[in-house]
Amino acid sequence: KQEVTQIPAALSVPEGENLVLNCSFTDSAIYNLQWFRQDPGKGLTSLLLIQSSQREQTSGRLNASLDKSSGRSTLYIAASQPGDSATYLCAVSDNQGGKLIFGQGTELSVKP
Amino acid sequence: DAGITQSPRYKITETGRQVTLMCHQTWSHSYMFWYRQDLGHGLRLIYYSAAADITDKGEVPDGYVVSRSKTENFPLTLESATRSQTSVYFCASSPNYGYTFGSGTRLTVV
Repeated sequence: KQEVTQIPAALSVPEGENLVLNCSFTDSAIYNLQWFRQDPGKGLTSLLLIQSSQREQTSGRLNASLDKSSGRSTLYIAASQPGDSATYLCAVSDNQGGKLIFGQGTELSVKP
Repeated sequence: DAGITQSPRYKITETGRQVTLMCHQTWSHSYMFWYRQDLGHGLRLIYYSAAADITDKGEVPDGYVVSRSKTENFPLTLESATRSQTSVYFCASSPNYGYTFGSGTRLTVV
């Protein structure tokens, strides 16, 4: 059974810092991995999608990497801003159109 | 506008009542999903659908019923609501990879 773990559960950093959020999964046979952002009381916003054949994806200040063999992904946020404060969720799918298995999330707080 | 919409946004119902949560997507995505989000449990899959008239159970299907007569709609019905079904419910859709989520329905069962 696929399990997804995110470390740390919570993180507080001063504005301007570069930071890394970690995601690990137990079964390396994934189809894709997706990072989401969730603001309090809101829905999930997709940040980055990495297909199994890819090693990384970038969007603005965000960079996500994928190492299937080790069962790990990282989300790198450069020059963090207070507006980045949210919960970040990692999720994997094991086949085309398959169900997403989510981690518990990392709650990020960026202090001005 | 293209997108995935859920209704209602908020719902309060009484124990034992039947309630239906609606989900509509405009892209004609094949795959649709229902998740619930609870503190301490994260997001858990209730039901999913690979196409119209094809549905399957997820991790926590008990007490829920789904149907998918049209590709764009995927309603979730609580047959007899219980307090343990108080949660935030999210619908999602996918063409074959990459998922888009609706804004959620916050359901309270009293």
